[in-house]
This record gives sequence, structure tokens and C-alpha cells, in this order.
Amino acid sequence: QVQLQQWGAGLLKPSETLSLTCAVSGGSLVGYNWSWMRQRPGKGLEWIGHIYYSRDADYNPSLQSRVFISVDTSKNHFSLNLTSVTAADTAIYYCARDTITHALDVWGQGTTVTVSS
Amino acid sequence: IVLTQSPEFLAVSLGERATINCKSSQSVLFRSNNKNYLAWYQQKPGQPPKLLIYWASTRASGVPDRFSGSGSGTDFTLSISSLQAEDVAVYYCHQYYDTPQVFGQGTKLQIK
Repeated sequence: QVQLQQWGAGLLKPSETLSLTCAVSGGSLVGYNWSWMRQRPGKGLEWIGHIYYSRDADYNPSLQSRVFISVDTSKNHFSLNLTSVTAADTAIYYCARDTITHALDVWGQGTTVTVSS
Repeated sequence: IVLTQSPEFLAVSLGERATINCKSSQSVLFRSNNKNYLAWYQQKPGQPPKLLIYWASTRASGVPDRFSGSGSGTDFTLSISSLQAEDVAVYYCHQYYDTPQVFGQGTKLQIK
């Protein structure tokens, strides 16, 4: 059974870079897209982007200039970097397996990121 | 693509039927395989979303059969046939037909 475990810094100052990693256990990265989403306090879900294990990533145009998603098949994990963060980037960030057949079927536990000076 | 859910808040008595709607600004039906790339998720406080329905009407593994999805093209519905106390949650529709993937704004379901 595939499980996702995510981690990263939870408190950032404005202008710093958000970095999160999501490790895949019980299965392989190969053959799937891997997505990142976020949920601002009291708000709905926002898709940040996804990456196929062997191709370039696709990003939400609203974040495209600041976001980078990468995959490391040797470590069976994928990562999110978001540069120049502001208070508006304060949110719970989720990773998920993104399948064209079963949508977002496996989710990480979520990481709360707070941006504050 | 924009997904609009209705209602935003819904209160239903235990054992009664709950119905949530999701309207897409454009079709999410992929004609080559006749599949609608529309999913439904349940999110409880402090938890990540849980996949309930994919391809508009296929229940995910382990999801009780009181949950059902219907619709095609641009109009979709999630139904809970007999509301249980554990169904109190926020429900989201999600299109994965095109990027950027988009979620509806959510429907908060409570017990009346």
C-alpha cells in the first residue's frame, strides 16, 4: 500500500524559499504524476503543480514564476520549492499521487507552513 | 476551467439524502474514452482530503456504497443516500481533465 510522508520547514520569513519533500513508500515513483496542493487558512484547495517521473513539471500559472517541482527516483521522493514567499503563502501543503485513472488517490499528511517576520 | 459547487453549506438529518452539485465552466468529458475527469473528495478537520469518487461515478476502494456520483460533461452530483454522523465534512469536486487542475470551493455538510 503506497504511503506518502512529507516534511520541511514550517516557519519562514518573507522572501525566503519554501522547501518540502514527499517520500513514497510501498511503491515506486515510476509511472505516475506526483502533485503538490495547498490550502490557505479556512480556504479551499489549490493545485500547485505536478511532475511525471521522467518529464518536466506542469505548474499553476498563478505560481509558475516562483515554483519548482523535482523528482529523485533514486531516493523515491519528490520535492517542492517556492521562492520569495510572503504571508499569502501561509498554508497547509499537501503532496499526492496524481493518476490519470484515479485522480489524487493517495495523500501525504500535510505540512503547515507559516510565513511571518 | 472553473468549478462551481452548490450549496456552500448543507444541513441534512441523519438517515436522509444529501446532494451536492458541481458545475464546470467547460466539459471534462474526454471523448476518446468517454470518461469524465471529475473526482470528489471528503475532508474532515485536521486531515488531508480523501478520494471518494473518480471518473465522476466510480467509487474509490473502501468507500461505502451510500456515496455515489453522477453526471457528465459539465454538470455533476455527489449523493449520500443515508447520512451518517461520520459523513460530517467538507466535500470538494476536482477536475483533472486539464492543467491547471482545479477544485470547487467546497461544500460544508452538517447534521440538521
